Amino acid sequence: GDSVTQMEGPVTLSEEAFLTINCTYTATGYPSLFWYVQYPGEGLQLLLKATKADDKGSNKGFEATYRKETTSFHLEKGSVQVSDSAVYFCALLYNFNKFYFGSGTKLNVKP
Amino acid sequence: GAGVSQTPSNKVTEKGKYVELRCDPISGHTALYWYRQSLGQGPEFLIYFQGTGAADDSGLPNDRFFAVRPEGSVSTLKIQRTERGDSAVYLCASSQSGMGTSGTYEQFFGPGTRLTVL
Repeated sequence: GDSVTQMEGPVTLSEEAFLTINCTYTATGYPSLFWYVQYPGEGLQLLLKATKADDKGSNKGFEATYRKETTSFHLEKGSVQVSDSAVYFCALLYNFNKFYFGSGTKLNVKP
Repeated sequence: GAGVSQTPSNKVTEKGKYVELRCDPISGHTALYWYRQSLGQGPEFLIYFQGTGAADDSGLPNDRFFAVRPEGSVSTLKIQRTERGDSAVYLCASSQSGMGTSGTYEQFFGPGTRLTVL
């Protein structure tokens, strides 16, 4: 069945470091792919999305490219800030209204 | 404007009891979703409403779980004969309409209800 696998955390980085959080998926057909973020004490928020192969989603300095050949949607940011500390979830949208979420990756950014 | 709200924020109950969890979606949103998030895991889809009807309830784990949305706004997730394994955070989300193939309409999540079954 459809599923999402993301790298385990926590990931600890210093401010201004480069960030990569890996996400791979298994799906029939061509799902849309998403990254959600959960800041401490807050609900899940959409960070970015891509709806077809080779699309790049971007927001707040974060980027992810939909790679069909490697079934991946890795999240990247060139220079992280302390305020980026949060839990990041990769997700795929299947069958119009059903999301499959990864298990989440906690990011800690130290000043 | 108000976001998605859920009540209670925390619920502690004993094994075998009945619980109800409430979700108030954003006004005007026709689509409503329930998810369950166990510790250290991502949200797991339970059920999706379009208006008053459950369009997809394939994620409900068994017949102890039931959800309603009688007027197409507020929804209640009901769990009968609770078990310790039901302990989790239950999330509600709403969107302006159904997601479609590309997630045209963003899902907005509530803060969740933390259910603990002793």
